[in-house]
Amino acid sequence: AQTVTQSQPEMSVQEAETVTLSCTYDTSESDYYLFWYKQPPSRQMILVIRQEAYKQQNATENRFSVNFQKAAKSFSLKISDSQLGDAAMYFCASLTGANSKLTFGKGITLSVRP
Amino acid sequence: DVKVTQSSRYLVKRTGEKVFLECVQDMDHENMFWYRQDPGLGLRLIYFSYDVKMKEKGDIPEGYSVSREKKERFSLILESASTNQTSMYLCASREGGATDTQYFGPGTRLTVL
Repeated sequence: AQTVTQSQPEMSVQEAETVTLSCTYDTSESDYYLFWYKQPPSRQMILVIRQEAYKQQNATENRFSVNFQKAAKSFSLKISDSQLGDAAMYFCASLTGANSKLTFGKGITLSVRP
Repeated sequence: DVKVTQSSRYLVKRTGEKVFLECVQDMDHENMFWYRQDPGLGLRLIYFSYDVKMKEKGDIPEGYSVSREKKERFSLILESASTNQTSMYLCASREGGATDTQYFGPGTRLTVL
């Protein structure tokens, strides 16, 4: 069974600064994928970034990047130059090839201070 | 752009009522999902469907059923609503591949009185 743990329920960051959201996971599969999803207030959840476990290089999407530590089963999201529009709930999720269903963490609420 | 729509943003029902939540996607996706989202619990999968008339139970199927008669539409049914089913319900769809992007609807906030 897969598990995804987001231990911090809330974080806050000053506009233009950098923040890192933590996530750990557990799986016995060798073939798996990791995701970060963003859910803005009263808006639809969208995919932020995806990481294939077989890739050593950390995924990057503009201001969003991940720190994927496979041995530690850690998958953190770094947001650089934080903007007010980054304020949202962020969910970490995993998916295995054998299962094809996303397993979500409990989410973290990020607030951005102007 | 992929569009996933849900029939209602807010719904209030009485205990014991039969409740239908509808989800429609416009991108011919094979896979569709129903989740419930509760504070401190994240998203939990109720049911999913990988083809018309096909369905599989997720992690918390008790008290729910689903219907997928057409590819674009996936319905979640609460046969006899109870107060512990008060929650945010999210629908999602995904193309064939397991690692394809999953697209979410705006959610239905259901309150059962």
